[in-house]
Amino acid sequence: QVQLVESGGGVVRPGRSLRLSCAASGFAFSSYGMHWVRQAPGKGLEWVAVISYDSKTKKYADSVKGRFTISRDNSKNTLYLQMNSLRGDDAAVYFCAKEELTTIFGMVKYVFFDSWGQGTLVTVSS
Amino acid sequence: SSELTQDPAVSVALGQTVRITCQGDSLRNHYANWYQKKPGQAPVLVIYGDNYRPSGIPDRFSGSNSGNTDSLTITGAQAEDEADYYCNSRDSSGNPSLFGPGTRVSVL
Repeated sequence: QVQLVESGGGVVRPGRSLRLSCAASGFAFSSYGMHWVRQAPGKGLEWVAVISYDSKTKKYADSVKGRFTISRDNSKNTLYLQMNSLRGDDAAVYFCAKEELTTIFGMVKYVFFDSWGQGTLVTVSS
Repeated sequence: SSELTQDPAVSVALGQTVRITCQGDSLRNHYANWYQKKPGQAPVLVIYGDNYRPSGIPDRFSGSNSGNTDSLTITGAQAEDEADYYCNSRDSSGNPSLFGPGTRVSVL
């Protein structure tokens, strides 16, 4: 079955960097878009970034654009999130999520997250 | 506007029916997905494409759309349905990046 396991979270000082990883198994990782979604303490889900299956397309939330970089290594079945210039409002549980889509007549109909990891906690504190 | 709005909280008696709504202009033309989130657990997809239920999701969960409002209905709520529920939709590029603020469902 699909398994996504995040790692790399921890306590970091404001302005510093952290790299999160998401190890994937149980599916053809190189064929799927992958996302990062976060949840700050007591807050709702916030989409962070997406990377296409072939790494050609990357998109970011405005709140992290220019500071975070999403990447993947299909040979290692691993997704990454490089987080630089961390701020207090970046503190959250970070989830990786597998993208699934349905098509009709060759056109994408629905896109959604069908599998999620358990998350890794990032704490930003001086 | 690309914003999605949800009621903060609803409660339902055990075995009764509850409907959670998600409003937004984007929902007139785009679908909604729904995720269940329990504390300390990964989110779980319960509805995609307005009204499709993934395999393994109980049939007491259903979804619908009317105009700018999507709804998630739990018919015969169970204690294990107590959770936060988030609607989710796509942005103008097709990326499912929009989340509603979430609705906390309490089962009494």
